[in-house]
Amino acid sequence: GQNIDQPTEMTATEGAIVQINCTYQTSGFNGLFWYQQHAGEAPTFLSYNVLDGLEEKGRFSSFLSRSKGYSYLLLKELQMKDSASYLCAVSNQGGKLIFGQGTELSVKP
Amino acid sequence: EAGVAQSPRYKIIEKRQSVAFWCNPISGHATLYWYQQILGQGPKLLIQFQNNGVVDDSQLPKDRFSAERLKGVDSTLKIQPAKLEDSAVYLCASSLGTDHQETQYFGPGTRLLVL
Repeated sequence: GQNIDQPTEMTATEGAIVQINCTYQTSGFNGLFWYQQHAGEAPTFLSYNVLDGLEEKGRFSSFLSRSKGYSYLLLKELQMKDSASYLCAVSNQGGKLIFGQGTELSVKP
Repeated sequence: EAGVAQSPRYKIIEKRQSVAFWCNPISGHATLYWYQQILGQGPKLLIQFQNNGVVDDSQLPKDRFSAERLKGVDSTLKIQPAKLEDSAVYLCASSLGTDHQETQYFGPGTRLLVL
């Protein structure tokens, strides 16, 4: 079966750091993507991990542990515009993406 | 570079009616995907095209949904007849190829409400 779990919602304060976790069980693994989706808009690509470790890209970092079936997205220096849904997606075979339900992040002043 | 284009952006229909959505992928992208995103859930793949051929349509409800990409560029997704549970956002995405690390780029989506 395919199962991707992430928290439904999180709240954080402007300027703080937040970590959004994702655990997965899929048939085959060819990488893990994180997408950001603002309300009423299309998902936009944030990061891709295929090897274990941390990938840093500005204020956003993404970590992967393949042995544990675990990833997290780390957002630093939170801004109000970071309020959005964050989608974890696993690529199993042939470029097919299996998405989690998304984590709704609310950033408060 | 122009992104993925979709139309219409919004559509309201009554159950048992038909509806069609259109997608124009990023120029040069061979692979095109249609996803269904129900409120509060992540996108679910309905169908994947490589040029004008179907790669995966295992989750497409074929009794009512159909899709085509005749010339390997634009694509249409049709629902006939629509049911209440089809209310969702229909997202089109494209990528250069089918390599597992290819990033998929999404269009703005068509928000469908079935009454």
